[in-house]
Amino acid sequence: DAGVTQSPTHLIKTRGQQVTLRCSPKSGHDTVSWYQQALGQGPQFIFQYYEEEERQRGNFPDRFSGHQFPNYSSELNVNALLLGDSALYLCASSFGDRDYNEQFFGPGTRLTVL
Amino acid sequence: LAKTTQPISMDSYEGQEVNITCSHNNIATNDYITWYQQFPSQGPRFIIQGYKTKVTNEVASLFIPADRKSSTLSLPRVSLSDTAVYYCLVVTSGTYKYIFGTGTRLKVLA
Repeated sequence: DAGVTQSPTHLIKTRGQQVTLRCSPKSGHDTVSWYQQALGQGPQFIFQYYEEEERQRGNFPDRFSGHQFPNYSSELNVNALLLGDSALYLCASSFGDRDYNEQFFGPGTRLTVL
Repeated sequence: LAKTTQPISMDSYEGQEVNITCSHNNIATNDYITWYQQFPSQGPRFIIQGYKTKVTNEVASLFIPADRKSSTLSLPRVSLSDTAVYYCLVVTSGTYKYIFGTGTRLKVLA
């Protein structure tokens, strides 16, 4: 049973560019959340998708957008990249409508903005 | 949303019991307490979750006093592989919002 998978593993972009990160949830899961984790910090909640809709959003600008597909996989898009967007981007999946359900995290995508 | 406070770091020796306490003074009735473990360059991993009193699973115990303003994660007989960052989260049911703090860096020494 595959866990949460993310692609790519690493990515290098320059300021002003756009990036798309991808996530496949754990089998049977229908909810996907995205987090940004800067070096030495805890994960910061970006948003959560459920039934192809953004259900909740953290304190991130509109440059951060996402999408969830009918197969529950998800994408995170970041436009107009800034140096400060360099971080580990984590995807987490869970099942069902309860927000206190256990979340399963992927290994993350390391984004470096030059 | 309840804010959490944890010690920044802790050291322990192999075989000892480790207790990490998290303070969440403004916890609400609908809030659940969850702990995650994170190794370097990996995503966090769920350890345990509770609402009140005591919860135990195969890796840890979670103690929550009656006022629920704090919680203690207990790791029995730690090993070197338990060296990681441990996060306490308070999730308010119905908000679908998850606030990780800076966590507690546990270092287990031989």
